[in-house]
Amino acid sequence: AQTIHQWPVAEIKAVGSPLSLGCTIKGKSSPNLYWYWQATGGTLQQLFYSITVGQVESVVQLNLSASRPKDDQFILSTEKLLLSHSGFYLCAWSPTGDSDYTFGSGTRLLVI
Amino acid sequence: GDSVTQTEGPVTVSESESLIINCTYSATSIAYPNLFWYVRYPGEGLQLLLKVITAGQKGSSRGFEATYNKETTSFHLQKASVQESDSAVYYCALGDSPNTGYQNFYFGKGTSLTVIP
Repeated sequence: AQTIHQWPVAEIKAVGSPLSLGCTIKGKSSPNLYWYWQATGGTLQQLFYSITVGQVESVVQLNLSASRPKDDQFILSTEKLLLSHSGFYLCAWSPTGDSDYTFGSGTRLLVI
Repeated sequence: GDSVTQTEGPVTVSESESLIINCTYSATSIAYPNLFWYVRYPGEGLQLLLKVITAGQKGSSRGFEATYNKETTSFHLQKASVQESDSAVYYCALGDSPNTGYQNFYFGKGTSLTVIP
């Protein structure tokens, strides 16, 4: 069975500090991978997607970057956090060309 | 644009009462939108509750139902008798076609449901 694991569960970070959020998918080769983000009071919106290792497409510009260093790993990062980065981050995967997503349990980020 | 609007929460319902969470969508750039309800239980990730990809069809799962109504652009979630274990956050979502190799979702803001015993 496939599993998706996100880390950390929650973070409190200072403005201007770096950030790295991770996501690992086990039990599925070559999945499509996604990062979603929801600001407080906002909607979940797709930030990045990746169809294959080493390739990441940006959907929304938020001064964040994403990388897929391995087939089963998706990393979201920034060198300098902004207050506006606070929110809830979700990683997800789907089989290629399929509509069924599986989401991780999310990371809650507070930037102070 | 493409968007989803759903019932603002939080919603509190007594056990065994009926529930409806409204969802309407706008799909201006999606020719054949797919509609979904996702649920997030406390401490867990988003889980697919039900999906419908054909207008006029009804999806159902765990006692919940939703009908894809193209005329009213709605996909309301209903349950005849809720249980305390249904307490969660419910998200309505609009998906574009996966034929491009990946799919993007447009989510509503989520509706927090608390069922009191």
